[in-house]
Amino acid sequence: DTEVTQTPKHLVMGMTNKKSLKCEQHMGHRAMYWYKQKAKKPPELMFVYSYEKLSINESVPSRFSPECPNSSLLNLHLHALQPEDSALYLCASSQEGGQATDTQYFGPGTRLTVL
Amino acid sequence: EDKVVQSPLSLVVHEGDTVTLNCSYEVTNFRSLLWYKQEKKAPTFLFMLTSSGIEKKSGRLSSILDKKELFSILNITATQTGDSAVYLCADPISLNTGTASKLTFGTGTRLQVTL
Repeated sequence: DTEVTQTPKHLVMGMTNKKSLKCEQHMGHRAMYWYKQKAKKPPELMFVYSYEKLSINESVPSRFSPECPNSSLLNLHLHALQPEDSALYLCASSQEGGQATDTQYFGPGTRLTVL
Repeated sequence: EDKVVQSPLSLVVHEGDTVTLNCSYEVTNFRSLLWYKQEKKAPTFLFMLTSSGIEKKSGRLSSILDKKELFSILNITATQTGDSAVYLCADPISLNTGTASKLTFGTGTRLQVTL
């Protein structure tokens, strides 16, 4: 089973709203990732969690706040977003993260629209 | 800085044709190269290539890596309309933590298979 699930599938929010994206995997993976993908562009890394600790923040604005409550769950809290933050937000997980043969498996994404 | 370049950017073929997608890379500390297929949402893992000259095959899809010339190709034979997607090539970069990696994606090749 290589399934990563994400909720919601679609989200429309105003610039003053607070919302959260959720990601879950039950593959026993210890690394989890958030990517942002704009139309016709490849995914861009936002955050990496390794063993439930934040490993990497790719200079993401503070209006995006990640959280890893346990090894299976990854959240992305959203607050005071801008219209340009509208994108597909992808979650991924991988076995270990640092191994040469580590493979990232992606969830279906949340398509976010900020009005 | 690691760089992944894919060609062509887009391609339209007729069902039944064979296509070859290209990925060239300039990376330090090469570990592996990954191929993903992205239809509407989640990138789906296809292949991981670590060794030069060894073909990976899955049904009508196959891929091979040339570490000397720094490129990989993805072949699809007897294409079907369901092969229409964006095909992404990615280089996993090990992050300083040693327990996570970051995928650097190429721009992707958009393949359209027509009847």
